[in-house]
Amino acid sequence: QQQVKQSPQSLIVQKGGISIINCAYENTAFDYFPWYQQFPGKGPALLIAIRPDVSEKKEGRFTISFNKSAKQFSLHIMDSQPGDSATYFCAARYSSASKIIFGSGTRLSIRP
Amino acid sequence: ETGVTQSPTHLIKTRGQQVTLRCSSQSGHNTVSWYQQALGQGPQFIFQYYREEENGRGNFPPRFSGLQFPNYSSELNVNALELDDSALYLCASTQWAGSGNTIYFGEGSWLTVV
Repeated sequence: QQQVKQSPQSLIVQKGGISIINCAYENTAFDYFPWYQQFPGKGPALLIAIRPDVSEKKEGRFTISFNKSAKQFSLHIMDSQPGDSATYFCAARYSSASKIIFGSGTRLSIRP
Repeated sequence: ETGVTQSPTHLIKTRGQQVTLRCSSQSGHNTVSWYQQALGQGPQFIFQYYREEENGRGNFPPRFSGLQFPNYSSELNVNALELDDSALYLCASTQWAGSGNTIYFGEGSWLTVV
């Protein structure tokens, strides 16, 4: 049972462009939606997170857009840089628990 | 730097053997979780320990077991290894799981079963 669906599986963006990754969730009890960035050989690192009572959260070049009624959320990376090349995972969890449900990941490549 | 240290970083085991993976968390992090990440997939939750007691488990068989110690270290034990157990095993810790506290991941232990 895939509770968090993520797309696309892979994404190639030109330097300076906007990278967009989409996710959808099923369980309306989730109340915390983090995004993780993972470089090869490293563990996932928290990038940005949002709660469902907020429709958008921005931190630097990274923005989460959240649509509670559609049960969808997305990550936008503005002015994408080669250093952003990594695998990105959307996720969902209950804020009162540490179990994280991860999406299947998006391998992002930024072309110079 | 997440303050979560895992060992060993890489290891190779034979099918049927047993393996112990270790994790050292930040001081004060009394909640630790273990995840399995197969190649090209997202991490899958194995189980969680809070104050040395298991208090949540994913869809993994009993041959996956764990321990958490008072000094903020923990272990993941896997018995009767199978080829499909080959994966990156991640340890994650947090101060406590409430209010969406940040969960910190270690860099993982790569297990290859041959």
